[in-house]
Amino acid sequence: NAGVTQTPKFRVLKTGQSMTLLCAQDMNHEYMYWYRQDPGMGLRLIHYSVGEGTTAKGEVPDGYNVSRLKKQNFLLGLESAAPSQTSVYFCASKDREGSPLHFGNGTRLTVT
Amino acid sequence: GESVGLHLPTLSVQEGDNSIINCAYSNSASDYFIWYKQESGKGPQFIIDIRSNMDKRQGQRVTVLLNKTVKHLSLQIAATQPGDSAVYFCAENIRPGGSYIPTFGRGTSLIVHP
Repeated sequence: NAGVTQTPKFRVLKTGQSMTLLCAQDMNHEYMYWYRQDPGMGLRLIHYSVGEGTTAKGEVPDGYNVSRLKKQNFLLGLESAAPSQTSVYFCASKDREGSPLHFGNGTRLTVT
Repeated sequence: GESVGLHLPTLSVQEGDNSIINCAYSNSASDYFIWYKQESGKGPQFIIDIRSNMDKRQGQRVTVLLNKTVKHLSLQIAATQPGDSAVYFCAENIRPGGSYIPTFGRGTSLIVHP
């Protein structure tokens, strides 16, 4: 099993550009999450999904959209990137309530 | 332990010492807690978890203690090794509307000196 795979690993965007971050898991997990990690801030939840076709807002959802069309994939979109969105983005999944998260290795995004 | 601010709290220990990393959680309704380890350039990895009906849980070289009265969690690492150097996060699980929402602390950087 590959676990949780994030693509791309690195990306540089100019302000106003758009992009989609892809998260794929091969563990048949129901729940998927997108976090951002900034220095000294820990991980903050952007959006999450409790199953295929569902999405919900987390702590910092503004400027992001998500889709969960297939159970194994969770996409994070930035429609108009801003420098404040420079961060490391982590995707995670879990199979049931009350179980730990499995994380990908992150996407480092820089917006200039 | 973890605290507010831009700089991560740091714990420096000698190889072979025991390490204790502390975490204060925010919500008295949280009933499931997890410790993660994050090495440089990687995503967080699960270490150990504990549910609110327990005060202590032991794993291999690690022990988690939960004090619900003061909303405090600690991770004890026995015989710390250089490979334990990483950032450690505690996460509480809150259910605002039915589904657990994993919420992370700011992290503590553990540095192990050989």
